[in-house]
Amino acid sequence: DADVTQTPRNRITKTGKRIMLECSQTKGHDRMYWYRQDPGLGLRLIYYSFDVKDINKGEISDGYSVSRQAQAKFSLSLESAIPNQTALYFCATSDFGPRQDTQYFGPGTRLTVL
Amino acid sequence: EDKVVQSPLSLVVHEGDTVTLNCSYEVTNFRSLLWYKQEKKAPTFLFMLTSSGIEKKSGRLSSILDKKELFSILNITATQTGDSAVYLCAAPTGANSKLTFGKGITLSVRP
Repeated sequence: DADVTQTPRNRITKTGKRIMLECSQTKGHDRMYWYRQDPGLGLRLIYYSFDVKDINKGEISDGYSVSRQAQAKFSLSLESAIPNQTALYFCATSDFGPRQDTQYFGPGTRLTVL
Repeated sequence: EDKVVQSPLSLVVHEGDTVTLNCSYEVTNFRSLLWYKQEKKAPTFLFMLTSSGIEKKSGRLSSILDKKELFSILNITATQTGDSAVYLCAAPTGANSKLTFGKGITLSVRP
């Protein structure tokens, strides 16, 4: 079983719809992250969380919100989707302490906003 | 502003060739540099480098860090078509040490 899972894997939606992407992990890591990846722009951080009560904005948080429901679950919401949010979205996790820099990625969610 | 820059952005080689991928960085309070391989979907971790001059090796892949000149290289010897992927480097930056990624190098290995 994969250590970091994301649902759905693919989603097509329309402008203005609310969308939630979910991430679960069995690695026991405290830290979780949401990224989006666009061609030519690389991976950009949307939000991150260092524990259940901690939420931090990344470099491109506008138009997104997150919820850390438990240590193992971190969801990303698009309150009113727009076409330029079409991208590949990744969840990642990392440990605390000496190995905190190494992040482990989920399989990604390809989101298309029409 | 902290940044991570990779070059070249894309590369085409033939099977059996040796390839060198570059990553330069400007990071305040530098701690580590990481390399990832991304095939069809999720980036997978390759190496984390923290010390200058100490090579990390895994099979045909190796990587080294130069903290004086602020760069790292990833070498792949005897390339195979399965090495075709995007190779990402990243470094922890900022107050919370979140990873900043380079734009990636697309490597294509032709049979």
